[in-house]
Amino acid sequence: EIVLTQSPDTLSLSPGERATLSCRASQRISSIYLAWYQQKPGQAPRLLFYGASSRAPGIPDRFSGSGSGTDFTLTISRLEPEDFAVYYCKQSDISPRTFGQGTKVEMK
Amino acid sequence: EVQLVQSGAEVKKPGESLKISCKASGYKFTTHWIAWVRQMPGKGPEYMGIIHPSDSDTKYNPSFQGQVAISADKSVNTAYLQWSSLSASDTATYYCARRGAEHQAFDTWGQGTLVTVSS
Repeated sequence: EIVLTQSPDTLSLSPGERATLSCRASQRISSIYLAWYQQKPGQAPRLLFYGASSRAPGIPDRFSGSGSGTDFTLTISRLEPEDFAVYYCKQSDISPRTFGQGTKVEMK
Repeated sequence: EVQLVQSGAEVKKPGESLKISCKASGYKFTTHWIAWVRQMPGKGPEYMGIIHPSDSDTKYNPSFQGQVAISADKSVNTAYLQWSSLSASDTATYYCARRGAEHQAFDTWGQGTLVTVSS
């Protein structure tokens, strides 16, 4: 099973600041199978990116995804109040699909 | 609008059986895989398994194989997750999610069904 390790566990930032979230895989995965999700309290996860860097419909361009191999990054260029949430990466390359443990982006 | 609408919250006792549902609308049900995802309180999501409604081809995460059953009824555009004997450790929110047609990500999610198992 592929383990996805996200860092940091918590990111304390202010609106307008830049957020950089990391997702590291325990073995190399194809970037086409790496996705990012956002989850707010009491809500279902929402797809942000598939294929590591392909933005899902309706996702603002302040969000960007990048990476390959074992290292992937989600960047939020300027945090808006609605961006404070938990973010998960997920791989679908090797069964079973696995999620990272999440990074919480909280308001400083 | 593509939607997945799940059945309501359940409170059950250990040993009881349960079947929860996920009704799809706004797209052709038989063209997309539907996955089930568990999220225990305060934890991250866990992939349980996935089904293709056209032929009910089902793949389970080994961690959940034999613990749950995933099924689908294409005549009513609905996927199901079933337990024959619940335990307290099954207490969680369960989500269904649609896999994209051209990618492997889950592009649409149900609102979640909270299952509480307590004596």
